[in-house]
Amino acid sequence: QSVLTQPPSASGTPGQRVTISCSGSSSNIGSNTVNWYQQLPGTAPKLLIYSNNQRPSGVPDRFSGSKSGTSASLAISGLQSEDEADYYCAAWDDSLIGVFGGGTKLTVL
Amino acid sequence: QVTLRESGPALVKPTQTLTLTCAFSGFSLSTFGMCVSWIRQPPGKALEWLALIDWDDDKYYSTSLKTRLTISKDTSKNQVVLTMTNMDPVDTATYYCARTGSGSSRGQFDSWGQGTLVTVSS
Repeated sequence: QSVLTQPPSASGTPGQRVTISCSGSSSNIGSNTVNWYQQLPGTAPKLLIYSNNQRPSGVPDRFSGSKSGTSASLAISGLQSEDEADYYCAAWDDSLIGVFGGGTKLTVL
Repeated sequence: QVTLRESGPALVKPTQTLTLTCAFSGFSLSTFGMCVSWIRQPPGKALEWLALIDWDDDKYYSTSLKTRLTISKDTSKNQVVLTMTNMDPVDTATYYCARTGSGSSRGQFDSWGQGTLVTVSS
């Protein structure tokens, strides 16, 4: 049972916009920054969005993040086949632990 | 360029102690604000945060695993070591180390190792 709640799956067709939600509490998302990770099959996770809405160098601007209160969202616009992956949200919790979401498997139809 | 690499046994027996080493380059754990975390992922399952050590040698552990985990650093060797006692088959997972942000950004893992698969079996 993950501390952060994500939908287990999401899907879209090429070119569509897809959003993935991440729900937490006042002790994690509510008071710390949210980060998103993309994990392609058989590879290590990669930082996709940090500090709620910042993209590391090299991440396409098709990926965007937002946060409101105790929830956050990852949006992917102009969906491409190579976006098919698992996506995880993560944050620090004020109880001094790191917390992850259960992951969302994105399928490009 | 930041790199991290995990190493350790691929197979451990139940009740044994696992020792994993994270060798990194491109940053120093003696620099203010630097942190390294361990994260694991059982086959087909989600990521799970295990432990964090910071530049000031402060250590933080997963609530459910804290009695079994010890994290330490050797700044001179640019290494972080994680030990996990009393291994069980449910601990079978790929174990990752990752450079980590500080303060309210300790959920930010900006560079990851490739991971090392540890199987627990007799």
